[in-house]
Amino acid sequence: GAVVSQHPSWVICKSGTSVKIECRSLDFQATTMFWYRQFPKQSLMLMATSNEGSKATYEQGVEKDKFLINHASLTLSTLTVTSAHPEDSSFYICSARPTGSQAEKLFFGSGTQLSVL
Amino acid sequence: EDKVVQSPLSLVVHEGDTVTLNCSYEVTNFRSLLWYKQEKKAPTFLFMLTSSGIEKKSGRLSSILDKKELFSILNITATQTGDSAIYLCAVKPRGGSQGNLIFGKGTKLSVKP
Repeated sequence: GAVVSQHPSWVICKSGTSVKIECRSLDFQATTMFWYRQFPKQSLMLMATSNEGSKATYEQGVEKDKFLINHASLTLSTLTVTSAHPEDSSFYICSARPTGSQAEKLFFGSGTQLSVL
Repeated sequence: EDKVVQSPLSLVVHEGDTVTLNCSYEVTNFRSLLWYKQEKKAPTFLFMLTSSGIEKKSGRLSSILDKKELFSILNITATQTGDSAIYLCAVKPRGGSQGNLIFGKGTKLSVKP
């Protein structure tokens, strides 16, 4: 089956530093990948849509200059949390849709737990 | 505001029991409803439902959608300890990003031996 690999699974960083999270589709190509955030006891919330070869589309309220997304190939999208602050501490998870498949059938990575000190 | 509400939030049962997880929604321009199993952080796809009254079945798991009453249920029969996980319900509205799934908070199922 389709596998999405997300790395790292957890990261602790100091306030003001930047953190990069990678999302790879291992056995399929994904023109589009998606980034979500989940705060404790809350639902997964879509942050942005990552489009291969073009700019990401951000959901309302998500700062594009703070959450930089790069989708340089059909199998890799990266999310960089710039100048991280404690309020950015959260669980970040990506998903990908195999090109040509049903739009709703997304495959998820295992997530990244970010803790900003 | 679109929302998806799951109940119960947590559930503890013993092996062999049958459980029913609930998902109700209020979503403008409904397209589909999806169930995911989240264990060790990575949600895995279970079912996608688009039509009322048609049961989807996979082994001991089954699900059905009622678009009139705006809810879905996920049934698990003869539960096993490996069924322990968080079960997520999500609704995909028409339009918007393909990844724009509105998730519920999940039901945490614990199956005791």
